[in-house]
Amino acid sequence: SQKIEQNSEALNIQEGKTATLTCNYTNYSPAYLQWYRQDPGRGPVFLLLIRENEKEKRKERLKVTFDTTLKQSLFHITASQPADSATYLCALDITGGGNKLTFGTGTQLKVEL
Amino acid sequence: DAGVTQSPTHLIKTRGQQVTLRCSPKSGHDTVSWYQQALGQGPQFIFQYYEEEERQRGNFPDRFSGHQFPNYSSELNVNALLLGDSALYLCASSLAGKETQYFGPGTRLLVL
Repeated sequence: SQKIEQNSEALNIQEGKTATLTCNYTNYSPAYLQWYRQDPGRGPVFLLLIRENEKEKRKERLKVTFDTTLKQSLFHITASQPADSATYLCALDITGGGNKLTFGTGTQLKVEL
Repeated sequence: DAGVTQSPTHLIKTRGQQVTLRCSPKSGHDTVSWYQQALGQGPQFIFQYYEEEERQRGNFPDRFSGHQFPNYSSELNVNALLLGDSALYLCASSLAGKETQYFGPGTRLLVL
C-alpha cells in the first residue's frame, strides 16, 4: 500500500544548528513533493515544492532535496531558531496533478536555546 | 488580501448528529479541498471541489458530503456523527492547475 514516512520521534536541536528532517515514500512516483509547517491548533503553511527533475531547492534558510531513486526527501533548516519549532509535514500528490495531497504524519521539531 | 477562512472555529456535537462546516477560499482561488486531521496524524484528503462539482474523493464514507457555491466557497457536511469523526477539519484552496494549497485555520470538531 501507499505509504509516506517521517521521523515519528520529535527532533530536539540547539539554536544555531542545522535541523534535518526525513521523508520516505513507497509505491509512488510523484511529480513533486511539498513541505509544510504546522503550528499547534493551526492549519499547515506551505514552505517549499520540489519537482521530480529537481535535485535541490532553497529558500532563505530552508533547503529541500529530492532523490527519486531512494524515494526520499530531506528538509534542512540552517541556523535554526526557537521560532522554527513546529511540526513539519511532507506531502505528495499521488494523482499526478490533481492536487490530492497525501501527507506524512509529520515530525515535531523543537529548537532549544 | 484575506486568506482562507473557516467557520466555526470549534464545535461540539453528540453521536448521530449532523454538522456543517464552512470555508471561504483565498481571493482568486477556484478550487477547494477538505482534509481531516486526527490528533498526532497528518491531514487526510476527504474531497475536492472545482466548478461546483466534486472532482476527487479520498477514502471517506458517504456520510461525508460537500458543496461548492458559485462564489467558490464550500461546505463540508457530515451525517450520523461517530466518536471517530472528532478531528481538526481543514479547508485548503488553490488555483486550478497550480500545486500550492493554502490552508485555513481549521475547525476543531469534538463528538461526544
